[in-house]
Amino acid sequence: AQSVSQHNHHVILSEAASLELGCNYSYGGTVNLFWYVQYPGQHLQLLLKYFSGDPLVKGIKGFEAEFIKSKFSFNLRKPSVQWSDTAEYFCAVNPPYGNNRLAFGKGNQVVVIP
Amino acid sequence: EAGVVQSPRYKIIEKKQPVAFWCNPISGHNTLYWYRQNLGQGPELLIRYENEEAVDDSQLPKDRFSAERLKGVDSTLKIQPAELGDSAVYLCASSLESVGNTEAFFGQGTRLTVV
Repeated sequence: AQSVSQHNHHVILSEAASLELGCNYSYGGTVNLFWYVQYPGQHLQLLLKYFSGDPLVKGIKGFEAEFIKSKFSFNLRKPSVQWSDTAEYFCAVNPPYGNNRLAFGKGNQVVVIP
Repeated sequence: EAGVVQSPRYKIIEKKQPVAFWCNPISGHNTLYWYRQNLGQGPELLIRYENEEAVDDSQLPKDRFSAERLKGVDSTLKIQPAELGDSAVYLCASSLESVGNTEAFFGQGTRLTVV
């Protein structure tokens, strides 16, 4: 079945460390890609998105993601995390035939230790 | 601008009882989604509306789940009767358009516990 894969469900790191979360999808064709973040007690909110153009996308709070079409990947990165980045991160894909049906990965629970 | 509003935030019911969730999308958003998020999983689409029409309900368990979006604004999602396996967070989202390159805005969800 076509899907969105996120690995390393639980990530624990110290402040100032670098973060990279992997996202791979198995849909062919042109897709729209998103990373959503859910801070403790809050709703899902958009971190960044890729529709077309420059495959390196800048988002809020210093996050960026790179779309690599040949690898079907859209990995999220932040060079130096802060305690406030503790959250759950979800990769989502809008497949080409999906009629705007966002397909989510299982999420990465990230804990940043002060 | 108010975001997507859902109520209630939490609901605990006994199995076989009915339950309903309510969603008020962002004003002007014609596309509304209901998602279910099980523990440790990402959200999964249950149903998508464009205005008052359900255009994608293939993932909705129609034997016990129903939804409506009267007048193309607010929406309710109902489960009758609820089963233990329905315990999850039910998320409502809305977007301005129904095309794929549109951001979906999410509410805080309703956490349902069936005992």
